[in-house]
Amino acid sequence: GAVVSQHPSRVICKSGTSVKIECRSLDFQATTMFWYRQFPKQSLMLMATSNEGSKATYEQGVEKDKFLINHASLTLSTLTVTSAHPEDSSFYICSANRALIAAADTQYFGPGTRLTVL
Amino acid sequence: QKEVEQNSGPLSVPEGAIASLNCTYSDRGSQSFFWYRQYSGKSPELIMSIYSNGDKEDGRFTAQLNKASQYVSLLIRDSQPSDSATYLCAVNDRRDDMRFGAGTRLTVKP
Repeated sequence: GAVVSQHPSRVICKSGTSVKIECRSLDFQATTMFWYRQFPKQSLMLMATSNEGSKATYEQGVEKDKFLINHASLTLSTLTVTSAHPEDSSFYICSANRALIAAADTQYFGPGTRLTVL
Repeated sequence: QKEVEQNSGPLSVPEGAIASLNCTYSDRGSQSFFWYRQYSGKSPELIMSIYSNGDKEDGRFTAQLNKASQYVSLLIRDSQPSDSATYLCAVNDRRDDMRFGAGTRLTVKP
């Protein structure tokens, strides 16, 4: 199967601090990883798309200096929420595309990270 | 017009019935279509992918695609209470960007 992990699963932090979320593809290499944010009772909102070794592409309205994305390898992408504020509290989900697979456009999701900013 | 539209529901069906979930999309150049299931507080999990017109069956699930009508559906046969979840329709548009519908909340009553 295609397994994607995220760490941590939950994080509570004080306003003004930075939080790093890791996304790993455990049993495959991911050409592309995606970061989503989901507010209660709403659908997924794509934040950014990242390809290994290159800068992330951010969706309109997402501040790239606030949400730092690093895609250091084909199995690891990190999202850092800098100077987090209560309005950043949300469910952050990553997903990954499998490389070298016919249905490479299928996205496999991580379990998500619940961020609460006090 | 939203790129991917779903009826938000809630859709309620009795146990054992067929649940029918519908989705329309706006980009006629879309090539790939997906159904995800999301339980409350969890991330989405892939149920089905479909790329060609017609039906695709996998166990109790059948995805139907009609590109001319820009319509994709998911049928769940013999619905179970454990199928109660939000079902997300996702479409890869011509730019190969995946767009999600708002999701349809399904409740299967015992």
